[in-house]
Amino acid sequence: NAGVTQTPKFQVLKTGQSMTLQCAQDMNHNSMYWYRQDPGMGLRLIYYSASEGTTDKGEVPNGYNVSRLNKREFSLRLESAAPSQTSVYFCASSRILAGLLSSYNEQFFGPGTRLTVL
Amino acid sequence: DQQVKQNSPSLSVQEGRISILNCDYTNSMFDYFLWYKKYPAEGPTFLISISSIKDKNEDGRFTVFLNKSAKHLSLHIVPSQPGDSAVYFCAASEAGNQFYFGTGTSLTVIP
Repeated sequence: NAGVTQTPKFQVLKTGQSMTLQCAQDMNHNSMYWYRQDPGMGLRLIYYSASEGTTDKGEVPNGYNVSRLNKREFSLRLESAAPSQTSVYFCASSRILAGLLSSYNEQFFGPGTRLTVL
Repeated sequence: DQQVKQNSPSLSVQEGRISILNCDYTNSMFDYFLWYKKYPAEGPTFLISISSIKDKNEDGRFTVFLNKSAKHLSLHIVPSQPGDSAVYFCAASEAGNQFYFGTGTSLTVIP
């Protein structure tokens, strides 16, 4: 059981380049999330997918797109990278939508992708 | 504007003593709160949660206290162990919407 996996672990981009961050979970979870972590800012939600086939914007969606490819996979795409997108990106999943009052909403996080945009 | 705040970026405690990590929030509609623990180069892991209908939840060495009137949350770790050294994030949610995370407190437990 790998849990939540993310690729790549590290990436350096030049301004204007595009890339896709991949995330997969093997826990049969319905909901998946993308967060970014910046110094002094904590974790901020970029996009989430409550269930297969749906995606919604989080707190900081500008400059990103997402695809819920199937139940297991949720990708994050930067179409034209900017230095402000330098961050550590975390993918997470939960059995049901996090925030609902239930013991099943615990989010499991991947190890993160460290992205630098020059 | 930060809706969940952890005003202490770091905390050092002797092994065996109590660690108290604090968290304040501004949105009175938040009804579910969690603490996550994060080691370097790893993703956060869930530690403990509390809903707004309670004022205390305990799980082994970890206890979370909620003071709704003060909009304040705290995590107590007793006794503290060196393996508890990590960054701790609190998070809050309103009625099934997204979680808002604090900026984290780095705890160092000194052997």
